[in-house]
Amino acid sequence: GENVEQHPSTLSVQEGDSAVIKCTYSDSASNYFPWYKQELGKRPQLIIDIRSNVGEKKDQRIAVTLNKTAKHFSLHITETQPEDSAVYFCAAVGWNTDKLIFGTGTRLQVFP
Amino acid sequence: GAGVSQTPSNKVTEKGKYVELRCDPISGHTALYWYRQSLGQGPEFLIYFQGTGAADDSGLPNDRFFAVRPEGSVSTLKIQRTERGDSAVYLCASSLSTGISYEQYFGPGTRLTVT
Repeated sequence: GENVEQHPSTLSVQEGDSAVIKCTYSDSASNYFPWYKQELGKRPQLIIDIRSNVGEKKDQRIAVTLNKTAKHFSLHITETQPEDSAVYFCAAVGWNTDKLIFGTGTRLQVFP
Repeated sequence: GAGVSQTPSNKVTEKGKYVELRCDPISGHTALYWYRQSLGQGPEFLIYFQGTGAADDSGLPNDRFFAVRPEGSVSTLKIQRTERGDSAVYLCASSLSTGISYEQYFGPGTRLTVT
């Protein structure tokens, strides 16, 4: 079945710097890759997603890139702010299913 | 509009007891998903419904776990003979439909503690 690996597990940056989180997936038929942000004790919230027919998508300070050949996708956050501090999860949806397979999460800390 | 809601928010039960966890999806969403999240881990898929039928129950860990969605809206996750290892946050999500990977919106979860 699908497996998603996520790195790093923790990431500390200074406010204003960029942060990059990387994921790899195993199922070459996977076609949808969402990213969720989860604050302590709260529900996961979708922040951006990408489908397999595009290589990059941007939404203000957040961007996601997808390399289907290498089975990699990455989250890029620019001009980080303290409110970006949270745990970020990548996920993948495989072919002929709609279940999300999540990575293990990245705890991002943005220091003022 | 209202988001996904789950009740109860917290449930403490003794080992061996039966529990029911409820999920109310966003109105009009035909797909409903259950996930389980242990401390420090990502959500783990359990089961999902399209309408009233279970489209994929491959994530249910064993036959103590069962879920229903009799009218295609509210869903109940049922756990029999609870074990301490069942302690986790149980998350429900809904999406407009299935088939082309619509966004999944999560509820706040039910924190289950088995003592």
